[in-house]
Amino acid sequence: ETGVTQTPRHLVMGMTNKKSLKCEQHLGHNAMYWYKQSAKKPLELMFVYNFKEQTENNSVPSRFSPECPNSSHLFLHLHTLQPEDSALYLCASRHGQASTDTQYFGPGTRLTVL
Amino acid sequence: AQSVTQPDIHITVSEGASLELRCNYSYGATPYLFWYVQSPGQGLQLLLKYFSGDTLVQGIKGFEAEFKRSQSSFNLRKPSVHWSDAAEYFCAVGREYGNKLVFGAGTILRVKS
Repeated sequence: ETGVTQTPRHLVMGMTNKKSLKCEQHLGHNAMYWYKQSAKKPLELMFVYNFKEQTENNSVPSRFSPECPNSSHLFLHLHTLQPEDSALYLCASRHGQASTDTQYFGPGTRLTVL
Repeated sequence: AQSVTQPDIHITVSEGASLELRCNYSYGATPYLFWYVQSPGQGLQLLLKYFSGDTLVQGIKGFEAEFKRSQSSFNLRKPSVHWSDAAEYFCAVGREYGNKLVFGAGTILRVKS
C-alpha cells in the first residue's frame, strides 16, 4: 500500500525529547486516524480527524498532541514520553464517514522510548 | 459497546492445508465486519468486509469469510494456505453509523512447509 505513508519508519527517543510523527495520504480521503499497536494488545484508537477537525480523542495522555493541517496530512507530536509508550503507531485514512468506507493503513512508525 | 474476540493467539498450519481463523463479536445492532492482515513491519491491509446481503464474503488472496448472526461469528477461511500467508490477522467490527472500528487482539498464522 503506497496510498498512506508514514515517516519516520523507526524512531528512538529519550523521555525528555520532543519528536513528531508524520502521516500523509494520497487517496483524497477526508478522515484520518492515529492508532497505537502494542505487543499482545488490540489496536487502540487514539484520535480521529474529519475534514481537519478532531472528532475523537480516546482519553489519550496530553504528552501526545495531534495536528491535522489539511485533509492529506496528520502529525503526532510527542513530548516527555514514557517507556510504556513504546509501540507501533499506525495512521489510517478513510474517504468519508460512511461505515461502509474502508480504512487504509500506513506501514507504521516503530517508536522506542528509552 | 462493541467488542471482538479472536480466541486463537497463534495457529500453525501446513502449506496446502485449509485454514479457519475464528472471530466472535459482540454488538447489539447490525455489525459491519472486517478482516485485515498485517505482515511483519507493515500496516494493515483489508482482506474483506461484510455489511449486508450474502453472508459468505469473498476477499483478496483467496480468502473468504462467513457471517453467522446466530453465533455472532465472522470466521475467515482459505482452502489452501501458501507460505506467503504467514502474518497476523485482525478481525474488526464497526457500527452502522459511526467511523470507528474495534479490533480483536489478532491471530498469528505460521505456515510450515
